[in-house]
Amino acid sequence: QPVLTQPPSVSGTPGQRVTISCSGSSSNVESNVVNWYQQLPGTAPKLLLYINNQRPSGVPDRFSGSKSGTSASLAISGLQSEDEALYYCAAWDGGLNGYVFGTGTKVTVL
Amino acid sequence: QVLLQESGPGLVKPSQTLIVTCSVSRASIRTGGYYWSWVRQLPGKGLEWIGYIYYTGTSYYNPSLKSRVTISMDTSNDLFSLILTSVTAADTAVYYCARVVFGYDTLYYYYLDVWGKGTTVTVSS
Repeated sequence: QPVLTQPPSVSGTPGQRVTISCSGSSSNVESNVVNWYQQLPGTAPKLLLYINNQRPSGVPDRFSGSKSGTSASLAISGLQSEDEALYYCAAWDGGLNGYVFGTGTKVTVL
Repeated sequence: QVLLQESGPGLVKPSQTLIVTCSVSRASIRTGGYYWSWVRQLPGKGLEWIGYIYYTGTSYYNPSLKSRVTISMDTSNDLFSLILTSVTAADTAVYYCARVVFGYDTLYYYYLDVWGKGTTVTVSS
């Protein structure tokens, strides 16, 4: 039962900037780092951003993250067709004593 | 780059025990600094964290699954396994193993940096 809430879908045209929100609580987003994972169709999730806004090697700087209070956001600038995927936020939850994922957001490039 | 590869039975009957194994290559699970974890994805649904194990044998589980889950490891062969008892159709999912980076630097951090490709498990009679 996901405890981090994301919009089910967002869409944009190539080159556009889109953002995905991740709403949590004081026991997860507010008090721990947020990570983002990208799941391309038919593949395993892949780490996209860690510790709120750090990009692993190979992730384009079009992807950026931010956090404020109990909410976090993922922004994709210069949207490209290969960005069509599911995106999940995640964080450790000190109340539940476990790692929790968001509900997931499907990004569609129009 | 470390590689993780899951292997599982594919099909399990209700009430039986599911065992899924993750083989780690190009790295050793005996090395400290990483947890080794399991995550599952129910059909058409999101991701659910199952738990992790450390090379010392310490393990930690999702409270919602804790009564049915055990994660074990074979350090000699760089393998770790998920054991899930009393399975039902609700346990039908793709099971992923992943490496976890964790630590503390003003804030506690925990993230899954390397994932296997996943193995599909169906619970059905």
